[in-house]
Amino acid sequence: QVTLRESGPALVKPTQTLTLTCSFSGFSLNTGGMSVTWIRQPPGKALEWLARIDWDGDRYYSTSLKNRLSISKDTSKNQVVLTMTNMDPVDTATYFCARAKRGSGATFDYWGQGTQVTVSS
Amino acid sequence: DIQMTQSPSSLSASVGDRVTITCQASRDIGYFLNWYQQKPGKAPNLLIYEASTLEAGVPSRFSGSGSGTDFTFTISSLQPEDNATYYCQHYDNLPQLTFGGGTKVEIK
Repeated sequence: QVTLRESGPALVKPTQTLTLTCSFSGFSLNTGGMSVTWIRQPPGKALEWLARIDWDGDRYYSTSLKNRLSISKDTSKNQVVLTMTNMDPVDTATYFCARAKRGSGATFDYWGQGTQVTVSS
Repeated sequence: DIQMTQSPSSLSASVGDRVTITCQASRDIGYFLNWYQQKPGKAPNLLIYEASTLEAGVPSRFSGSGSGTDFTFTISSLQPEDNATYYCQHYDNLPQLTFGGGTKVEIK
């Protein structure tokens, strides 16, 4: 069965770089048409798309955050890593990784449980 | 970027009621719209994709319709377990992706 799990620091200081890892099982990012996406949700607010990486290595970023984001994959470990630079308190949120339906890129049928990140000095 | 306006932001209804949520796009998006349910402290759950296709395993009381700029999500007979926040989500081929602001559904 498909599972995803996010991991990373619960607390980061302003200006630091955040590194989050999505570990998944039940599918492979070597399979054509597969992709993994990061989405975040500030407390009490709506969901916000951050970045996506496809099976062939193509990367896509939110236009508003693209200068701060980097997404990569390690298919041997079944992991996707997101880094976000220059963290600010407004980046406090729950960060989710999600798998998209094969070939869709943007219809998320499996999600991790999310990891809460607080930005504070 | 395309803006998604979801309404209402919240509603309260009784078990058995028909509930309707709308999502309006700032320009024509075809049928590229999904609907998710999110319960407190949980990840979202896909209910409807491509505007009207019911995800496998999702109860048939949930449905979606629309195309272009105006979309509707309906719960035909509200159940206690439907207490949640519902989000529409648009995507395009750039690719960019936008969620609506959410609709919190409360059971009276």
